[in-house]
Amino acid sequence: DAGITQSPRHKVTETGTPVTLRCHQTENHRYMYWYRQDPGHGLRLIHYSYGVKDTDKGEVSDGYSVSRSKTEDFLLTLESATSSQTSVYFCAISEGMGQSSNQPQHFGDGTRLSIL
Amino acid sequence: DQQVKQNSPSLSVQEGRISILNCDYTNSMFDYFLWYKKYPAEGPTFLISISSIKDKNEDGRFTVFLNKSAKHLSLHIVPSQPGDSAVYFCAATFSGTYKYIFGTGTRLKVLA
Repeated sequence: DAGITQSPRHKVTETGTPVTLRCHQTENHRYMYWYRQDPGHGLRLIHYSYGVKDTDKGEVSDGYSVSRSKTEDFLLTLESATSSQTSVYFCAISEGMGQSSNQPQHFGDGTRLSIL
Repeated sequence: DQQVKQNSPSLSVQEGRISILNCDYTNSMFDYFLWYKKYPAEGPTFLISISSIKDKNEDGRFTVFLNKSAKHLSLHIVPSQPGDSAVYFCAATFSGTYKYIFGTGTRLKVLA
């Protein structure tokens, strides 16, 4: 299994509070991703990173920010959490070698976030 | 705009029979397709993939078929086993982007 650790695994917080989720990898992969999974929507990309300090938005980036100061860590921050951000959040990594995207992503086990 | 669609939210199959999961896409630039399996409380696990230069790829009980003209791919599981009961996601990407678009998933239940 790919060495991906997400923390915390579960979190309950209140509307308006800041929340940071952490993804840590031991594979030295270049690309890291944050997704959210919601019923009826599958997995939707929030942000991704293609290197240290290099990040870009995904399809549902509003209300989220990310940072990557080291290859192994990718942080997702909800500056002021809202109930619509209640979801299961998954981190993923991919090797990102060369121009071809023909490489699978590997996922962490997720963080279940509830915002009351 | 859902670029990758899985139109069947659920599927039930008897143990030992074939399971066929379907996926349609709209973006003709996609050139790499993947299937993932997801158990409850776990992250998705990569299952099998196919490049657009092929129309079939096999790995044990799992075969993925790609029909580029119809923009359709399918995953065949033969024979189906109770342990295959999970949610299956298809995903697609194209060279140079490293961004993957996922379908909404199909819940497969294999009945013993």
